[in-house]
Amino acid sequence: EVQLLQSGGGLVQPGGSLTLSCAVSGFTFNSHALNWVRQAPGKGLEWVSTISGSGATTYYADSVKGRSTISRDSSKNTLYLQMNGLRAEDTAVYYCAKSSPFDILTNFDYWGQGTLVTVSS
Amino acid sequence: QLVLTQSPSASASLGTSVRLTCTLSSGHRNFVIAWHQQHPQKGPRYLMKVNSDGTHIKGDGIPDRFSGASSGAERYLTISSLQSEDEADYYCQTWGTDVQVFGGGTKLTVL
Repeated sequence: EVQLLQSGGGLVQPGGSLTLSCAVSGFTFNSHALNWVRQAPGKGLEWVSTISGSGATTYYADSVKGRSTISRDSSKNTLYLQMNGLRAEDTAVYYCAKSSPFDILTNFDYWGQGTLVTVSS
Repeated sequence: QLVLTQSPSASASLGTSVRLTCTLSSGHRNFVIAWHQQHPQKGPRYLMKVNSDGTHIKGDGIPDRFSGASSGAERYLTISSLQSEDEADYYCQTWGTDVQVFGGGTKLTVL
């Protein structure tokens, strides 16, 4: 059974930093790209970042480029998103998502449960 | 620019069928899309991938009541024999050479 279990999140002050984690199981870790997607309160889904199965290739939405770093640790089967310079508009529920096989940019086929990040003073 | 357009809302009666539409932007009519379902306060769930020829590949455990189709730049999600638990938000997703894109979502109300 594929599982994506998220941790991290919480309240952070504007300008602060935070790292989100997503522990995955039930599939071959290095064979699938992984992703972060966020959802601001009452809004739709917004793609944030994607990392290839090897970790060598990464993509970022313009809204977080230069402020965020996606990474993965195969020894822990865990995906990370480090966010710096947080702004009020980064307030959202953040989801990790697994990609379908073969391609880096492709459909997501499993999702995490989400974790709330609130940026406020 | 790669954009997906969805109607904000849709409604249909219990036991009937509804078709949701996701429209690809100009120049992208051959793109593959995926449909995801999201219940309130829950994480999304992958439903299916829909190709430009209308063929679709469903995710694990997705009932036969859910099907996909295509026509030109439009991709469809049809839900038959509507049940109360189908009331949810539905998002389409696609991808380009360096970007992932979501439609704005359609809120489905089951009457």
